[in-house]
Amino acid sequence: AQSVTQLGSHVSVSEGALVLLRCNYSSSVPPYLFWYVQYPNQGLQLLLKYTSAATLVKGINGFEAEFKKSETSFHLTKPSAHMSDAAEYFCAVSGGSQGNLIFGKGTKLSVKP
Amino acid sequence: DTAVSQTPKYLVTQMGNDKSIKCEQNLGHDTMYWYKQDSKKFLKIMFSYNNKELIINETVPNRFSPKSPDKAHLNLHINSLELGDSAVYFCASSQDWGTRRDTQYFGPGTRLTVL
Repeated sequence: AQSVTQLGSHVSVSEGALVLLRCNYSSSVPPYLFWYVQYPNQGLQLLLKYTSAATLVKGINGFEAEFKKSETSFHLTKPSAHMSDAAEYFCAVSGGSQGNLIFGKGTKLSVKP
Repeated sequence: DTAVSQTPKYLVTQMGNDKSIKCEQNLGHDTMYWYKQDSKKFLKIMFSYNNKELIINETVPNRFSPKSPDKAHLNLHINSLELGDSAVYFCASSQDWGTRRDTQYFGPGTRLTVL
């Protein structure tokens, strides 16, 4: 069975500071992992995904994530936060019994001026 | 060009009513999904639909029924609405079912409020 745990329901950073959003997974098969972003009152947009090609994955808007099998982690980072990064971020693993994504509970990112 | 669209965006209705939410995708995908996002932002699968095969989450009440007139559309019908049905409902699609690396593309969501 697959599951995802996002540490920290709310992360607050200053503009220009490093963004680090944590995600740990559990999977009985080699995992495929995704990060989605949800801006207020909008749908989910794919930031990046890991599909076993490379452990460091670069996504949109300057985000990247590193797959670490030994730590069962897929943390999301961005070197310098921008005000427009304020949103809800979801980590997900594929492989649900319905072909669905299994989501973490989300992390709300706030960016202070 | 909107890849996955849903209508309506907002839906406010009384308890006991029947309502529908429509979803359309223009990506040529074979699989569509309905997810429910509760008030705590938790996303949970409700249905998957692939090539006329419906896969139901056992925890979904049978008041909810998906209907797919064709591969590009998956509508959600809800009968006898209850207060607990208030949530944001997201439609999504992917190229194929069971291909775990496929990206799922999400619609903008429908915020359902049951009074």
